[in-house]
Amino acid sequence: DGGITQSPKYLFRKEGQNVTLSCEQNLNHDAMYWYRQDPGQGLRLIYYSQIVNDFQKGDIAEGYSVSREKKESFPLTVTSAQKNPTAFYLCASRGRAGEAFFGQGTRLTVV
Amino acid sequence: AQTVTQSQPEMSVQEAETVTLSCTYDTSENNYYLFWYKQPPSRQMILVIRQEAYKQQNATENRFSVNFQKAAKSFSLKISDSQLGDTAMYFCALRHSQYSGGGADGLTFGKGTHLIIQP
Repeated sequence: DGGITQSPKYLFRKEGQNVTLSCEQNLNHDAMYWYRQDPGQGLRLIYYSQIVNDFQKGDIAEGYSVSREKKESFPLTVTSAQKNPTAFYLCASRGRAGEAFFGQGTRLTVV
Repeated sequence: AQTVTQSQPEMSVQEAETVTLSCTYDTSENNYYLFWYKQPPSRQMILVIRQEAYKQQNATENRFSVNFQKAAKSFSLKISDSQLGDTAMYFCALRHSQYSGGGADGLTFGKGTHLIIQP
């Protein structure tokens, strides 16, 4: 089945540590996105990539980094510069009609 | 900048009733897409319905339909014959049809409406 796979489902980060969230898609979509979701908030855009080897900052990119070396993969690194990383992270790709297809998300908690 | 506003943080209705969720938006673009997404307790985001701004006809998907008022920048979702499985967060979202270069690509989301269907 085609779709977006995020891993891990739960992730715990210690203070000062970098962690990487995985996102893989087999939908053959060019554009991919990372969103952050906090309680009582909608989704906010962190980074996006419209094509391999290219990516752009979204609305809340500080403290995050990404890479897009393959069409299928768009990993997100939460760096130690992100002061409040506890949140639910969603990866998505864009379909032909402009709609977003989402993964099941990663819950990141600082311990 | 584009914005999406959902003014109802929470709604509760009885099973089988009809419910309407409100959404207003602001954009300077003429061509764009509007979406409603459902997020059940599993937190998986599920596309419910989409509407292209250039289409005057309101989109319909089974029990779900929209009332798209372009001049008023309003995009409400109507759920008919509501079911227990409709209990979820519902998010309204906006996307420009083409990357204009004036801002980030991607969807702009409202803060959501928590819909509870009572048995």
